[in-house]
Amino acid sequence: AQKVTQAQTEISVVEKEDVTLDCVYETRDTTYYLFWYKQPPSGELVFLIRRNSFDEQNEISGRYSWNFQKSTSSFNFTITASQVVDSAVYFCALNYGGSQGNLIFGKGTKLSVKP
Amino acid sequence: SAVISQKPSRDICQRGTSLTIQCQVDSQVTMMFWYRQQPGQSLTLIATANQGSEATYESGFVIDKFPISRPNLTFSTLTVSNLSPEDSSIYLCSVEDRRYNEQFFGPGTRLTVL
Repeated sequence: AQKVTQAQTEISVVEKEDVTLDCVYETRDTTYYLFWYKQPPSGELVFLIRRNSFDEQNEISGRYSWNFQKSTSSFNFTITASQVVDSAVYFCALNYGGSQGNLIFGKGTKLSVKP
Repeated sequence: SAVISQKPSRDICQRGTSLTIQCQVDSQVTMMFWYRQQPGQSLTLIATANQGSEATYESGFVIDKFPISRPNLTFSTLTVSNLSPEDSSIYLCSVEDRRYNEQFFGPGTRLTVL
């Protein structure tokens, strides 16, 4: 069965620190997609990235970077030089059932960035 | 990216009544998805709605409680029936935007049941 584990419930950092959010997944599918979403206090769910299981290249987008390692079933997310606006709950998700839209979410990691 | 709107954005309902939530997308999509986020929790998939066929429900969710309509490729509704306080949640619709290989979520409908 599919499963997504975000072991870090809450993380608190000071502005400008780097922070890594961990995501470990379980799946028997050979083709799958992994996602990261941000949910700020306003409540909307903001898409950050989708990664195909065949693409293990790391991704960088500005201060955000993602490290996908199939060998350890991990898809970790790093924010470099964190800012107060990064404060949010971050969800990692995995699709199942052959449909990209069928997502199983981790429990989320609440990140607080203090000035 | 796809633009998704939901109505209402929030509502307060009495126990035993029903609420219908609308989801509108600015482009045609094959599949639409309905999720629930209970207070302080993660998201859980309720069902998948394809145009022209019955919705597919996940384990723990039934059509009598969560009837879904999908009359065309840009619109869907989710009804939460016979409301109880345990139904107080945020309900979100989601679509896949294949133009950008992204999975988007609507702004959500915050339901409070008294």
